[in-house]
Amino acid sequence: GAVVSQHPSWVICKSGTSVKIECRSLDFQATTMFWYRQFPKQSLMLMATSNEGSKATYEQGVEKDKFLINHASLTLSTLTVTSAHPEDSSFYICSVRQREGGEQYFGPGTRLTVT
Amino acid sequence: GQNIDQPTEMTATEGAIVQINCTYQTSGFNGLFWYQQHAGEAPTFLSYNVLDGLEEKGRFSSFLSRSKGYSYLLLKELQMKDSASYLCAVKDSNYQLIWGAGTKLIIKP
Repeated sequence: GAVVSQHPSWVICKSGTSVKIECRSLDFQATTMFWYRQFPKQSLMLMATSNEGSKATYEQGVEKDKFLINHASLTLSTLTVTSAHPEDSSFYICSVRQREGGEQYFGPGTRLTVT
Repeated sequence: GQNIDQPTEMTATEGAIVQINCTYQTSGFNGLFWYQQHAGEAPTFLSYNVLDGLEEKGRFSSFLSRSKGYSYLLLKELQMKDSASYLCAVKDSNYQLIWGAGTKLIIKP
């Protein structure tokens, strides 16, 4: 399968600060990247879908001004959690897809803890 | 609405066989996936079914019945490292993955 990297793998930040998470597709050019959030003992929740060069499509209930997504190139997408709160503490996972209908490959995830 | 159901938790014995069921109701169907997720890690791909029948891959097999909206993941010769959550996901008519809540599998010696 494809190799997807995320950076950082874990981060602790103070309430009110912003955190940026990077997702890189190392094996192929990903036309679509997905950002998921997973709370303990719960399933994956899709936050947004982004296509290179266009604005991300956010799922219902996800604040686009709080979770900024930039899909600047076919191999890089970033998620910025702005003005983080303790309830934003979660496991954030990106996945990439080369073409519509193709398989999704997941990054290793980023654990965010907001104190 | 769209819905995927799978048991919350299952327990099995090392060396045995376990079957994890998944039923789905989605708007359209473009394939069903099974993923394995160890605690604190991202999901890893196990299997993909788009046509009815059984797909075998080593110790793992996955079955699909589109008419019944049903799939199962069969794990044989269970090993302690198989302790993980198993996620069922269906790709709907928009090629969007709809996720089940996952089944936590506990393997006992």
